[in-house]
Amino acid sequence: NAGVTQTPKFRVLKTGQSMTLLCAQDMNHEYMYWYRQDPGMGLRLIHYSVGEGTTAKGEVPDGYNVSRLKKQNFLLGLESAAPSQTSVYFCASSYWTTAYGYTFGSGTRLTVV
Amino acid sequence: AQTVTQSQPEMSVQEAETVTLSCTYDTSESDYYLFWYKQPPSRQMILVIRQEAYKQQNATENRFSVNFQKAAKSFSLKISDSQLGDAAMYFCAYRSMPNTGNQFYFGTGTSLTVIP
Repeated sequence: NAGVTQTPKFRVLKTGQSMTLLCAQDMNHEYMYWYRQDPGMGLRLIHYSVGEGTTAKGEVPDGYNVSRLKKQNFLLGLESAAPSQTSVYFCASSYWTTAYGYTFGSGTRLTVV
Repeated sequence: AQTVTQSQPEMSVQEAETVTLSCTYDTSESDYYLFWYKQPPSRQMILVIRQEAYKQQNATENRFSVNFQKAAKSFSLKISDSQLGDAAMYFCAYRSMPNTGNQFYFGTGTSLTVIP
């Protein structure tokens, strides 16, 4: 059972370039999330999805777009990367019931130069 | 929105000793869940322990236990018999119920160093 898989694990982008981060889960979780982790700021929610075909904004959505065309996949896109988007990105998934914690991916370290 | 505060950016403990990491939160809800996550240098987020707010009994998982004070909105993590493998960043997290999206709110983390 793979859990939550994020690709790629590392990426360096030039300012203005675009890219898509892929998150895939094989646990049939309804909910999926994208967070960014920055030093001294913990994890901040970018976007989330409560089911296939649905997405919603989190705390820091500007500059990002998401899509969830299939239940098992949640894509995070950067249309025009900026140095402020240099961060570690985590995908997480969970069942709809609150009692369960998240299952996290291993993270993507993105550097925008 | 709920806020979670970890006031200790860094902590250190001698191997085999006990250490307590602090966490406070702000909420107007009566039912919720609290979690502690561990993030070692590998970057993987690992669930350490969770606590249901409606339970008065403090959760325990082997060497890890919590001191949950609902009225004070405090949720500290105690690590007993500290081991070198406990060195990591620890995040406190709050999850409300019900909540559209059931999202977590995380603290800023406490970096724990274990001294041999």
